Amino acid sequence: NAGVTQTPKFQVLKTGQSMTLQCAQDMNHEYMSWYRQDPGMGLRLIHYSVGAGITDQGEVPNGYNVSRSTTEDFPLRLLSAAPSQTSVYFCASRTLRNEKLFFGSGTQLSVL
Amino acid sequence: GENVEQHPSTLSVQEGDSAVIKCTYSDSASNYFPWYKQELGKRPQLIIDIRSNVGEKKDQRIAVTLNKTAKHFSLHITETQPEDSAVYFCAASNPMYSGGGADGLTFGKGTHLIIQP
Repeated sequence: NAGVTQTPKFQVLKTGQSMTLQCAQDMNHEYMSWYRQDPGMGLRLIHYSVGAGITDQGEVPNGYNVSRSTTEDFPLRLLSAAPSQTSVYFCASRTLRNEKLFFGSGTQLSVL
Repeated sequence: GENVEQHPSTLSVQEGDSAVIKCTYSDSASNYFPWYKQELGKRPQLIIDIRSNVGEKKDQRIAVTLNKTAKHFSLHITETQPEDSAVYFCAASNPMYSGGGADGLTFGKGTHLIIQP
């Protein structure tokens, strides 16, 4: 099992550009989520999904879109990047019956 | 919603001494309390967790205690070693939300644990 795989590891964008952060898991987890991590702020939930075709907003959803067409994949889209979106992004997954979260290795995003 | 406060934000201890990190939560319905360790540049990883029907749980040098009445829980690391240096996050989960229609896990802001040689 590869676990939770995120790509890319690093990305630099200019203000206004769009991009997609990829997340895939091979553990057949129903639940997938995206967090952002900023210094002194801990981990804040952006969006989550409890299964294919179902997504919902977390604590800080503005500026981000998600979709869940398959159980394995949960991409995060930035439609028009802003400097405030400079952060480290983590994808995480788990089963619906167990709260233990498995994290991906993270994407460090800089928006200039 | 749930609010998790974590203290201290930075903790420096001598190698071999004990370290204690404390968290408080606001929602009395929360019943699952995990602790994650994040080494520099790495992903958070679960190190220990506790449910509300248990007051204490140990795993070798680490232990977690829970006081439901006071709504606080703590991570204890004994005989600290250099590899314990990391950021530690506590979290609380409300079973009403986990898995059903919302995310139940709320994280604290983290504690940077520094082990001095």
